[in-house]
Amino acid sequence: DTGVSQNPRHKITKRGQNVTFRCDPISEHNRLYWYRQTLGQGPEFLTYFQNEAQLEKSRLLSDRFSAERPKGSFSTLEIQRTEQGDSAMYLCASSQQKGWNTEAFFGQGTRLTVV
Amino acid sequence: TQLLEQSPQFLSIQEGENLTVYCNSSSVFSSLQWYRQEPGEGPVLLVTVVTGGEVKKLKRLTFQFGDARKDSSLHITAAQPGDTGLYLCAGSGGATNKLIFGTGTLLAVQP
Repeated sequence: DTGVSQNPRHKITKRGQNVTFRCDPISEHNRLYWYRQTLGQGPEFLTYFQNEAQLEKSRLLSDRFSAERPKGSFSTLEIQRTEQGDSAMYLCASSQQKGWNTEAFFGQGTRLTVV
Repeated sequence: TQLLEQSPQFLSIQEGENLTVYCNSSSVFSSLQWYRQEPGEGPVLLVTVVTGGEVKKLKRLTFQFGDARKDSSLHITAAQPGDTGLYLCAGSGGATNKLIFGTGTLLAVQP
């Protein structure tokens, strides 16, 4: 296993278009997280899954954002009707939950630019 | 709502100097991690601390978890240009045990 993989690495889209990102976690990991990050800031929590169940979604996240993890393996994050403010790095991470210890491993991210 | 504040936000130092980055919260965390991130890449895990008062060392980096498990610090001795990057603390705990990140400290070490 080569780690967490995200595709695409870069995406440029016109305002109003829909975009979908994919994340393939480390195979034995049961948790999968999505974060959004702007330059120089810490990652902002968007949502996370335990296996196929979506446990929490940030209240800051508009209804234009949706995430799925249909079989508890890969996950997709879709943004509908993109806005310029959606431009950011979208990071995916996975972890194997062991008690209270959550060590997350990140992909290289998808950089979204909305023009 | 769990929040993690890091200070300083930016730090520019000369090679060979020492520095400390702080991560503070009003919430108790079950575990806390430190990550380092380079431009255009995802964060990379440096260390995890789980016990109040715990100290861990990673070469020139020393990490400490506060006794009350609400805060942490990262100390770098004799900084090198290769230490340049965004340092992030992250904590997990609470009912859902989700992982949340601090505000970040951008470190630049000048040769």
